Amino acid sequence: GAGVSQSPSNKVTEKGKDVELRCDPISGHTALYWYRQSLGQGLEFLIYFQGNSAPDKSGLPSDRFSAERTGGSVSTLTIQRTQQEDSAVYLCASSQLAGAPSNTQYFGPGTRLTVL
Amino acid sequence: AQSVAQPEDQVNVAEGNPLTVKCTYSVSGNPYLFWYVQYPNRGLQFLLKYITGDNLVKGSYGFEAEFNKSQTSFHLKKPSALVSDSALYFCAVRKREAGTALIFGKGTTLSVSS
Repeated sequence: GAGVSQSPSNKVTEKGKDVELRCDPISGHTALYWYRQSLGQGLEFLIYFQGNSAPDKSGLPSDRFSAERTGGSVSTLTIQRTQQEDSAVYLCASSQLAGAPSNTQYFGPGTRLTVL
Repeated sequence: AQSVAQPEDQVNVAEGNPLTVKCTYSVSGNPYLFWYVQYPNRGLQFLLKYITGDNLVKGSYGFEAEFNKSQTSFHLKKPSALVSDSALYFCAVRKREAGTALIFGKGTTLSVSS
């Protein structure tokens, strides 16, 4: 596709439920990132996939959060037992050549998660 | 701790006037510097980046940014603001080592009045 796509665009869930958020990166991009944008916290890094290497999970806020990337392309961010503080916009980004930090990260439109 | 500061939550300018959105950083080494813009209910759009070389970087939509190493700043500028420039602007830095994520500032809301 022309850009990074994310689904769903909006997700409303009840506290305690699990949710899955999907990201389709730009074709050919080997690096994929998840960020969280919430009021008062700005943009926070969550997790980073680089090709077939083990992901950098250093930004995940708790063990309720996990992510996987299948076949080096699509990624799914899973939040288990959602809490109200998980409400935020979850942004996915991708870039070429993971080993080149100067490469631009291109962002998807985000998934707005609301936990009631 | 590594951090990016955008000291102004909001910047107000009149259409046609020059605009500046400020950014300073505290990151070890010589990081790469980026500006992104976010329109309502949209993802982040890349504007420009500084990698090396000329301290004045030109980007999309007539924006430019000036890198100042001694002041560790990377202010975003535009000579003549448009109402359509009204949006949320984020400064971000990334360390030169592979496998590092972007560190974002809190964002600055730019409001351009007609």
